[in-house]
Amino acid sequence: AQSVTQLGSHVSVSEGALVLLRCNYSSSVPPYLFWYVQYPNQGLQLLLKYTTGATLVKGINGFEAEFKKSETSFHLTKPSAHMSDAAEYFCAVSDGAGGSYIPTFGRGTSLIVHP
Amino acid sequence: GAVVSQHPSRVICKSGTSVKIECRSLDFQATTMFWYRQFPKQSLMLMATSNEGSKATYEQGVEKDKFLINHASLTLSTLTVTSAHPEDSSFYICSARSAEGYTFGSGTRLTVV
Repeated sequence: AQSVTQLGSHVSVSEGALVLLRCNYSSSVPPYLFWYVQYPNQGLQLLLKYTTGATLVKGINGFEAEFKKSETSFHLTKPSAHMSDAAEYFCAVSDGAGGSYIPTFGRGTSLIVHP
Repeated sequence: GAVVSQHPSRVICKSGTSVKIECRSLDFQATTMFWYRQFPKQSLMLMATSNEGSKATYEQGVEKDKFLINHASLTLSTLTVTSAHPEDSSFYICSARSAEGYTFGSGTRLTVV
């Protein structure tokens, strides 16, 4: 079984400030981990993913995430927020090699960016 | 990269009618596609797994007679909401697995009036 917990349904930051979106997971096998972004009335776009290897993963739009096995975490960060980063962010976990299992999504975190 | 096209993006229908949503993989073949439902401000709920040439696999609690899924080719899966009611109003998203991982369609906003 696998599950994802995203701490905080809303995160509010000022433009230019650090963005930190928290994600903790539970998985019975080594996980594959994902972060997706969703803009209003649109589908999900993959930001980044961790499968194996380097635990610090860099994605699109300046985002990165670090896989910490001891903490079962995969927090998403960005050094400097832009207004265009305002969106819904979903963390997801998948069991199995090659992403062969369907990802389970967290409840999502809404990122609000203030000018 | 892999692209999944979903149509329509928005649809309004009258209660009691049926609505068909299409999901196409544009530049890859997808033997398996997935249908999700998303309630406002909530996560994605997997409704069913669509398998090319065979019956779909529905998640627990999803009415298979209400949500008909057809996956007749390697690039097309359809979801038909039959006898739609206002409580079926939601955002529906399809996904397909490619060599790059899971790719999502842009979603369909269904409003039943």
